Amino acid sequence: KAGVTQTPRYLIKTRGQQVTLSCSPISGHRSVSWYQQTPGQGLQFLFEYFSETQRNKGNFPGRFSGRQFSNSRSEMNVSTLELGDSALYLCASSLGTGSNGYTFGSGTRLTVV
Amino acid sequence: GQNIDQPTEMTATEGAIVQINCTYQTSGFNGLFWYQQHAGEAPTFLSYNVLDGLEEKGRFSSFLSRSKGYSYLLLKELQMKDSASYLCAVPGTYKYIFGTGTRLKVLA
Repeated sequence: KAGVTQTPRYLIKTRGQQVTLSCSPISGHRSVSWYQQTPGQGLQFLFEYFSETQRNKGNFPGRFSGRQFSNSRSEMNVSTLELGDSALYLCASSLGTGSNGYTFGSGTRLTVV
Repeated sequence: GQNIDQPTEMTATEGAIVQINCTYQTSGFNGLFWYQQHAGEAPTFLSYNVLDGLEEKGRFSSFLSRSKGYSYLLLKELQMKDSASYLCAVPGTYKYIFGTGTRLKVLA
């Protein structure tokens, strides 16, 4: 079966711009979670969506937002980009309960210059 | 609160055995995951422990002690391809809490 697809793989943006990242989960998976990964901080939780509803949100500023569509595909948006937003953004797909585990996409490498 | 601690970096020799430790503090417990992440790639699932004891899966084994809030990942017969980061994670409420990861370097 197809894995988790994230697009684009790489992105370079300038400060102040906005960016939209996309994630298509494994077919049948209704939960999509987003994480930011940086060398010093590890994986930091951004938000989780299940059946188009945001069930949890991490400790990130309001510039970070997301949504999920009826086909379970998800997007996250970062507005007014800052240099510190440079990171690997990972999307994780799951059935939606704690013990199921995640399947990760390959990530989007965002560089803000 | 919830917190996970892992060593930042470890080095071992090809063919050796290495143990990567993880300690955690959680308000509830719903199991513990280990993931492997090669540089520039996505994390991939290695193991899931919810009961105390050792689970063996080929060259990799994972151990859990719920009373001690402790887990370890044991890698045997190390190969160069095992050079990667190893992430310990526990499920929270609609999210996972990850440790910062242990970067393992396998030397020839």
